[in-house]
Amino acid sequence: KNQVEQSPQSLIILEGKNCTLQCNYTVSPFSNLRWYKQDTGRGPVSLTIMTFSENTKSNGRYTATLDADTKQSSLHITASQLSDSASYICVVSQGSNDYKLSFGAGTTVTVRA
Amino acid sequence: SQTIHQWPATLVQPVGSPLSLECTVEGTSNPNLYWYRQAAGRGLQLLFYSVGIGQISSEVPQNLSASRPQDRQFILSSKKLLLSDSGFYLCAWSVGPALNTEAFFGQGTRLTVV
Repeated sequence: KNQVEQSPQSLIILEGKNCTLQCNYTVSPFSNLRWYKQDTGRGPVSLTIMTFSENTKSNGRYTATLDADTKQSSLHITASQLSDSASYICVVSQGSNDYKLSFGAGTTVTVRA
Repeated sequence: SQTIHQWPATLVQPVGSPLSLECTVEGTSNPNLYWYRQAAGRGLQLLFYSVGIGQISSEVPQNLSASRPQDRQFILSSKKLLLSDSGFYLCAWSVGPALNTEAFFGQGTRLTVV
């Protein structure tokens, strides 16, 4: 079964600090990997999307990395802000069938002043 | 620009009552449309997807159904709600399949069945 595992489940960081979220997947064949940010009670919003040929992609203070060989991805948040408090979801799409997306359970990030 | 509308934002319904959640997309043609359910602490679960008018695929057996009466309209329904239908429902759209296509989500509907 294709799975996406995220860690940690939750974390608390101080404002201004950096943090890194992990995503491991077993989806095969692999098409692309996306990171979404979801505020409580809202729909997810896309941060980055990477295909198998891309190793890193940035969106402001968010930087995602991808190692397609080890099937691992990370999302790095630099100089965290209170508005970064949210759930971050790793999503992997399978092969050319983009209809089927595999979602991780998310990492809940809480940024404190 | 493309936008997605999903309503209502919250809904409280008694067990056994019918359900109708609506989702519409603007600014694109022939989108792929999806309904997801999100349980607390768990990933999104795909319920239905549609690649065209009248074309509905169901991913998991359940008490729900979906319809696509128009190109950019996707409706999630139930004839009789169960307590287990409570959850956070998300509508999404994408254009694809393609290697780097993205899925865009609505704001979600919090359904509580009492």
